[in-house]
Amino acid sequence: GENVEQHPSTLSVQEGDSAVIKCTYSDSASNYFPWYKQELGKRPQLIIDIRSNVGEKKDQRIAVTLNKTAKHFSLHITETQPEDSAVYFCAASPNDYKLSFGAGTTVTVRA
Amino acid sequence: DADVTQTPRNRITKTGKRIMLECSQTKGHDRMYWYRQDPGLGLRLIYYSFDVKDINKGEISDGYSVSRQAQAKFSLSLESAIPNQTALYFCATSDQLPGQGRTGELFFGEGSRLTVL
Repeated sequence: GENVEQHPSTLSVQEGDSAVIKCTYSDSASNYFPWYKQELGKRPQLIIDIRSNVGEKKDQRIAVTLNKTAKHFSLHITETQPEDSAVYFCAASPNDYKLSFGAGTTVTVRA
Repeated sequence: DADVTQTPRNRITKTGKRIMLECSQTKGHDRMYWYRQDPGLGLRLIYYSFDVKDINKGEISDGYSVSRQAQAKFSLSLESAIPNQTALYFCATSDQLPGQGRTGELFFGEGSRLTVL
C-alpha cells in the first residue's frame, strides 16, 4: 500500500515568515494529494489539494507543489499568522477515497 | 448546517469491555469512514463504506468491526477493548468520485476520545 512520510514533525516560525512542509509517497499510482489542517482540539479540515495533472496550485497564502518524478509534494505557507498554528497532515491516494496520511507537522507561529 | 456527529465524545472503559462509537451525518454523502489518530502516527484508516451494503477494511481493521445501519449512520465497535486501542477516533464522510463539481474532500466529525484502562 501507499506510504507517506512527512517532514518536519515540528516547525516553529516567526510571524510573517514562510513555512514549508514536505511529504514523500511510495505508490507511483497515487494521483490525489490533499492537505488537512487540524487546530488544537478541532477536527481536521481540508485546506488545499492537488491532482497529478498539475504541478502547482495556489490559494491566497498557501500553495502546494507536486513533483511526480521524485514522488514528493510540499505545502508552502507565506506571511504566516498566529491562526496558522496547527497540525498539518499531507495525504496521498491512487483513487481519491483511500487516503494514506503522513504523521503530521505541528506548526507554531511565534508573535 | 449539514454535519457529521459522533457519540460519545469521550469514553473511559476497561480492558475486555465492548465499546461502540456511533456516527451520523446529514451531508447526504454515500461514503463513510472511521479513522484513528495517534500522536506521531497521523490518521490511519480502520474501515470504510460506500453504501449501506458495502464494508471494506482499511489498514488497521484488526480488533474492530463496523456496521452501516443506514446511509447516514456508521458505527464502530471494539468487541473486547485493549489498552493500545486508546486513541482519538474520527468518523468522516465524502461525496462520490470527484468530477462534475464533486470533490474527494473528507468531512470529519468532532472525534471520540477513547481511553482503555
